[in-house]
Amino acid sequence: QKEVEQNSGPLSVPEGAIASLNCTYSDRVSQSFFWYRQYSGKSPELIMSIYSNGDKEDGRFTAQLNKASQYVSLLIRDSQPSDSATYLCAVNGEYGNKLVFGAGTILRVKS
Amino acid sequence: EAGVVQSPRYKIIEKKQPVAFWCNPISGHNTLYWYRQNLGQGPELLIRYENEEAVDDSQLPKDRFSAERLKGVDSTLKIQPAELGDSAVYLCASSLARTYEQYFGPGTRLTVT
Repeated sequence: QKEVEQNSGPLSVPEGAIASLNCTYSDRVSQSFFWYRQYSGKSPELIMSIYSNGDKEDGRFTAQLNKASQYVSLLIRDSQPSDSATYLCAVNGEYGNKLVFGAGTILRVKS
Repeated sequence: EAGVVQSPRYKIIEKKQPVAFWCNPISGHNTLYWYRQNLGQGPELLIRYENEEAVDDSQLPKDRFSAERLKGVDSTLKIQPAELGDSAVYLCASSLARTYEQYFGPGTRLTVT
């Protein structure tokens, strides 16, 4: 079982719709959770971090964490073509010893 | 505030040749990471530094890879000799401490022919 799993996609949504990206992790004691956006040929860019159960909103982005289900998600409201990228989920262990990345979900927003 | 700086951005070498990558972290960030990213995969940690000390190098292929972070600021990752399978993007990241958000540099795309 992979430590961090994501659907590879591509996930296609029309412009203006809500994009929902999901991630599951295996380490039950994980404490920190991150979403990175990576455009083709570029490096990962941190867009959201979440540390406690519930929702965290930042502009059009909402991160959701459910530690009991070992599940973290990212919602992108009013999706724009510029949101088209690969979204990487990353999970940090109990002592922050290692950030483990999923393989990423490709998002395509069609105008 | 300047971000993480890496050089070179691209490198093409023949197999068995040596290659080195340089990274300068965000000012004040004590923790520095080197990752390798293969196409279609997420970054994988090679080594983590806390100041000058390499505290996690379990994923570093030590027979051919080496790294250093003199004076606890910039860092160099070296491969000698390079193999075809080393072709990847090498990413440097930094954070205030190991539990904080990590910020990536632009990466070095290595092609071994």
